[in-house]
Amino acid sequence: NAGVTQTPKFQVLKTGQSMTLQCAQDMNHEYMSWYRQDPGMGLRLIHYSVGAGITDQGEVPNGYNVSRSTTEDFPLRLLSAAPSQTSVYFCASRPTSEAGELFFGEGSRLTVL
Amino acid sequence: AQSVTQPDIHITVSEGASLELRCNYSYGATPYLFWYVQSPGQGLQLLLKYFSGDTLVQGIKGFEAEFKRSQSSFNLRKPSVHWSDAAEYFCAVGAESGGGADGLTFGKGTHLIIQP
Repeated sequence: NAGVTQTPKFQVLKTGQSMTLQCAQDMNHEYMSWYRQDPGMGLRLIHYSVGAGITDQGEVPNGYNVSRSTTEDFPLRLLSAAPSQTSVYFCASRPTSEAGELFFGEGSRLTVL
Repeated sequence: AQSVTQPDIHITVSEGASLELRCNYSYGATPYLFWYVQSPGQGLQLLLKYFSGDTLVQGIKGFEAEFKRSQSSFNLRKPSVHWSDAAEYFCAVGAESGGGADGLTFGKGTHLIIQP
């Protein structure tokens, strides 16, 4: 009964390094998304996908890339990390037919020095 | 554009007392409204949702919320809080799915502190 699984849970990067946050779901959900959570800012949508091969930008996409080669996986890539990307990242999914309700992973805390 | 306002950043309530967390939204059509709870170090868990019908909705853990269209509000209530209710609470508004690919728009959250 895994649900949405994110790895790693914690990561420290130096400015300019690249990395990928992994997200996998086993619920056969078509819709997947990435949010970042910052103090006093709530959650802001970075990128989302409505199915394999389809991705789109959310509210704060700059500095992030995504791809969706399978229904299960939706990795988030930081090509050149910046201190402004220090945040907690959440992956979430839902069945496209189910309006709005999202199922969240436990989060990945990223620190960029 | 849709938006959500949670006016209270922090709320402190004594254990056993009643609770009301405020949420106001802005949305051009009939909104889909949600309350999520986040315990420390955890992801978000859905407490309840409103899509249509009865404007008073019941959720998990004894929570309820009332949709008031005239006030553009969706306040969360609980008659008697427990120490385990201490957490961050997020109100969110979303669009109807089925082709709509929008994510949810979240409020900035209300941090609930429970006093013994």
